[in-house]
Amino acid sequence: DIQMNQSPSSLSASLGDTITITCHASQNINVWLSWYQQKPGNILKLLIYKASNVHTGVPSRFSGSGSGTGFTFTISSLQPEDIATYYCQQGQSYPSTFGGGTKLEIK
Amino acid sequence: IQLVQSGPELKKPGETVRISCKASGYTFTNYGINWVKQAPGKGLKWMGWINTHTGEPTYAGDFKGRFAFSLETSASTAYLQINNLKNEDMTTYFCARRNYYGGSYYALDYWGQGTSVTVSS
Repeated sequence: DIQMNQSPSSLSASLGDTITITCHASQNINVWLSWYQQKPGNILKLLIYKASNVHTGVPSRFSGSGSGTGFTFTISSLQPEDIATYYCQQGQSYPSTFGGGTKLEIK
Repeated sequence: IQLVQSGPELKKPGETVRISCKASGYTFTNYGINWVKQAPGKGLKWMGWINTHTGEPTYAGDFKGRFAFSLETSASTAYLQINNLKNEDMTTYFCARRNYYGGSYYALDYWGQGTSVTVSS
C-alpha cells in the first residue's frame, strides 16, 4: 500500500496568515492527489483534485501543488471558517490511502 | 448534488447493520460510490467502492469478508452492510461519490454526512 505521510498533525495560526501543509507519498503518484476538508460535525468536502486543481465552489485562497512524492496544500489569508482538519489522499493506486490529517486551529 | 445517509445505529456484537446512502441531483449510475471509515478521533480509511453501473464491488484488504456493498439503483441508493459486528466496527462511516479526473485517477467529490454505529452489549 502507498503510505501518505502528512505534516504537521496540528497547526495553530492567526487570521490572515498563510499556512502550508505537506503530504509525502511512499511511491511516485504523479499528480494523483486530492485534498479534503473536514469541519466539526463531520462535514467532508473536496478542495483540490489532481494536486493543484480547485474543486467547484472552493475559494481561491485554497491551493495545492506538487508531483511525484511531494505535495503541498496552502491556505492564503486564513479565515475563521477554515477551522477544520485537512486530509490528503492518493486516488489512483489500490487501495486508496489518506494522510493522517492536519488539525488547524486559530490562535 | 447530495448524498444523504441513514441515521445512527445501536447494535449488539454479532448483529448485522445496514447503512444507506441516497444520492440526488445527478445520474446515480454515472458515478461510483465509495465507503470510508473514520474511527473516533482518528483519520480516514478507505473501505472500497461499488460500481453503480455494473454493481461490482471492490473491497480494501481489511474489509473483505464481513462487509458488503450493494445497490438499489431504482432508488439511487447504495448500502453498506456489516455482518457479525465487532467492537472495532464502532465508528462513523461515510459514503462519497467517485469522480474520475483522468485515466484511473479519481477524487471523492461529494460526501454523505456520516453514519455513527455503536456496538454495545
